[in-house]
Amino acid sequence: DQQVKQNSPSLSVQEGRISILNCDYTNSMFDYFLWYKKYPAEGPTFLISISSIKDKNEDGRFTVFLNKSAKHLSLHIVPSQPGDSAVYFCAANTNAGKSTFGDGTTLTVKP
Amino acid sequence: DSGVTQTPKHLITATGQRVTLRCSPRSGDLSVYWYQQSLDQGLQFLIHYYNGEERAKGNILERFSAQQFPDLHSELNLSSLELGDSALYFCASSGWTSGGVNTQYFGPGTRLTVL
Repeated sequence: DQQVKQNSPSLSVQEGRISILNCDYTNSMFDYFLWYKKYPAEGPTFLISISSIKDKNEDGRFTVFLNKSAKHLSLHIVPSQPGDSAVYFCAANTNAGKSTFGDGTTLTVKP
Repeated sequence: DSGVTQTPKHLITATGQRVTLRCSPRSGDLSVYWYQQSLDQGLQFLIHYYNGEERAKGNILERFSAQQFPDLHSELNLSSLELGDSALYFCASSGWTSGGVNTQYFGPGTRLTVL
């Protein structure tokens, strides 16, 4: 049973437009959510996070939205830039510190 | 640079062999996590150690084992290797605190190729 799902394996957007990456989860015990970005041949790097007591967190061009009732979170990147092209993983944490990752979405931003 | 180091960067070996992957966490981090990423797949959690003790196990095969030493570095041992074990193996560390705040810092990975 996959507790964290990223249903879109890939997403392609034009430079300057908005990129929206989605993530769904099933475990209501998750109380902290993170997004990681991964370039080829590198390890994932932390991008942005959100606590379950919030519904939005913003950091520059990146905003994460959390809808607890729908068990859904999304990452918005605006404006998208070619350097944003990477694989994006969402991860969900329990307060015991265990992280569960989704399978990732490959974002391609076209110039 | 995340501060997490992994060695070796690449490893090529034959089926049936045994290898050891090494990870040094960021200074001060007590938690070490191991993940496997096979071709075009997501990060599969293998195991988590906290200050030398095993804290959680994921989909780790019995042929695989890990440990965290007193100096907090960790080793992942893979034995009786099969072709399907070829993958990227990532180590991550975190300065875990209560409340679910668990930002993990990943190393560059070890690419294992089993021929």
